[in-house]
Amino acid sequence: DAKTTQPTSMDCAEGRAANLPCNHSTISGNEYVYWYRQIHSQGPQYIIHGLKNNETNEMASLIITEDRKSSTLILPHATLRDTAVYYCIVRASNAGGTSYGKLTFGQGTILTVHP
Amino acid sequence: DTGVSQDPRHKITKRGQNVTFRCDPISEHNRLYWYRQTLGQGPEFLTYFQNEAQLEKSRLLSDRFSAERPKGSFSTLEIQRTEQGDSAMYLCASSPEGAGGNTGELFFGEGSRLTVL
Repeated sequence: DAKTTQPTSMDCAEGRAANLPCNHSTISGNEYVYWYRQIHSQGPQYIIHGLKNNETNEMASLIITEDRKSSTLILPHATLRDTAVYYCIVRASNAGGTSYGKLTFGQGTILTVHP
Repeated sequence: DTGVSQDPRHKITKRGQNVTFRCDPISEHNRLYWYRQTLGQGPEFLTYFQNEAQLEKSRLLSDRFSAERPKGSFSTLEIQRTEQGDSAMYLCASSPEGAGGNTGELFFGEGSRLTVL
C-alpha cells in the first residue's frame, strides 16, 4: 500500500471548518483513500473513504485532487469532541473480495479543537 | 451494546507471566483483526481471521504470541513470557467483509492496555 504524509498537528477553532491534508503521491490506480480517527483512549473510528470522486457523509467530506496524489478531509463545523488523531490511509481494494481489512496506519495528525 | 468488546480493558503483569486477551466481534462479522498500538504511534497490524481460519500473521507476531478464533466467533490473543516491550494497547477489530467485496470499514473495540513491569 502507498505511503501517506500528514502534518503532525493542527489546531482549529470550535465551529470553524477543519481541513486536514494528506499527501499520497505514490498512490496506485486501484488504491482507495481512507480516513479514520482515534479519540483518546478509544479504538480508531472509520470516517470516510473514496477513490476518485469527492465524498460526503454525515461526519465529513473528502476532497481528492484530480491526480489523486493528495486529499483533504473536511470537518465542516468542528466541535470539541472532534479533538483526536486523524489517520489518512491508502489501501488497495479488490472488488472480487479477496482483499481484507489490513490497514497500515501512520502517525496521523493530532487535531486540537479549542473553544 | 453491539460493538466490538474487549476484555480485560487493562492488565498489569510482571515480566515472564502469560496474559490472554479476549475479543468479541460484532455479531455475524466474519472477519476479525488484532492490532497493537504503542504510545504515540498508529496501530500496527498483527493478525487476521476469516471465520476460524487465521489467514495472515505479521512478522511482529513473535512465537510468544498466539491468536485463536476456535468457532469463528470470539477470539483470544495470548502472550507467553511477557517482556517489557510487549507493553501496548491491543486492539481488536471486525468487519462484515466477505466474498461480495468490501468497504474497508473496520469496527474497532476500545482495546486492552497491557503494562508489563
